Amino acid sequence: GAVVSQHPSRVICKSGTSVKIECRSLDFQATTMFWYRQFPKKSLMLMATSNEGSKATYEQGVEKDKFLINHASLTLSTLTVTSAHPEDSSFYICSARAGQYTGELFFGEGSRLTVL
Amino acid sequence: QKEVEQNSGPLSVPEGAIASLNCTYSDRGSQSFFWYRQYSGKSPELIMFIYSNGDKEDGRFTAQLNKASQYVSLLIRDSQPSDSATYLCAPTDSWGKLQFGAGTQVVVTP
Repeated sequence: GAVVSQHPSRVICKSGTSVKIECRSLDFQATTMFWYRQFPKKSLMLMATSNEGSKATYEQGVEKDKFLINHASLTLSTLTVTSAHPEDSSFYICSARAGQYTGELFFGEGSRLTVL
Repeated sequence: QKEVEQNSGPLSVPEGAIASLNCTYSDRGSQSFFWYRQYSGKSPELIMFIYSNGDKEDGRFTAQLNKASQYVSLLIRDSQPSDSATYLCAPTDSWGKLQFGAGTQVVVTP
C-alpha cells in the first residue's frame, strides 16, 4: 500500500517555541492531506484539510494563526505549531489521499509533541 | 453536529471467539464507512471499508452496514491476542472527510 511518512515522530520543545511537522507521500501524489490531533484515549479530531496549492480549510475552533499548514507540493504538507504551549501537547497525525473527495486515506506514523 | 458513537469498552474477548463492535452515526449524508485499528501510541491502520448496505467480508473481518438505521458494525472472527487494540469507526461526510468515533478498546485474552 501507499506510504505516508511523518517526521519527526517525537519532539519535545520549550513553551513559546515553534515546531514544524512534515508529512510526505512517498509513492503517490497527494491531492488532499488532512491533519488530526489526538489526545490520550480520545478520538482523532480533524484540525484542517489542505489541498495542494491552496489555503488550508480549518475546522471550527482550530486557530489558523497558531497551526500553520502549508501544502506546497503534491507530496509534502507541513504543520507548524507556533508559540507552542503545554496544552498543545498531543499526538498529531497526518493523512493523505490521491483524490480530492474520494479514495483511500493513508496515515502517517504520527508525531508526539510534548511542550514543556 | 455530526456524531459517531461507539462503545468505549474495553470489550474483553476470549481468544478464538468473535468480537462484535458497533457504531452509530448521525450524518445521513455519509456514503462510505471505514474501520481502522489503532494500537496504543500508533497511528490508525485501515482494516476495511464498506459503502453498500449488507455485509462485506475480508479475511477474519466482516463489516455490516445498515444505512436506514445509521448503523455499521465490525465482526472479528477467531480473535487473536494481536487483535487487541482500539477500533475506530469512521464514516465520511459529503466532502469525503472522515468523522472518527472515539473507538472501542478490544482486549483478547488468551
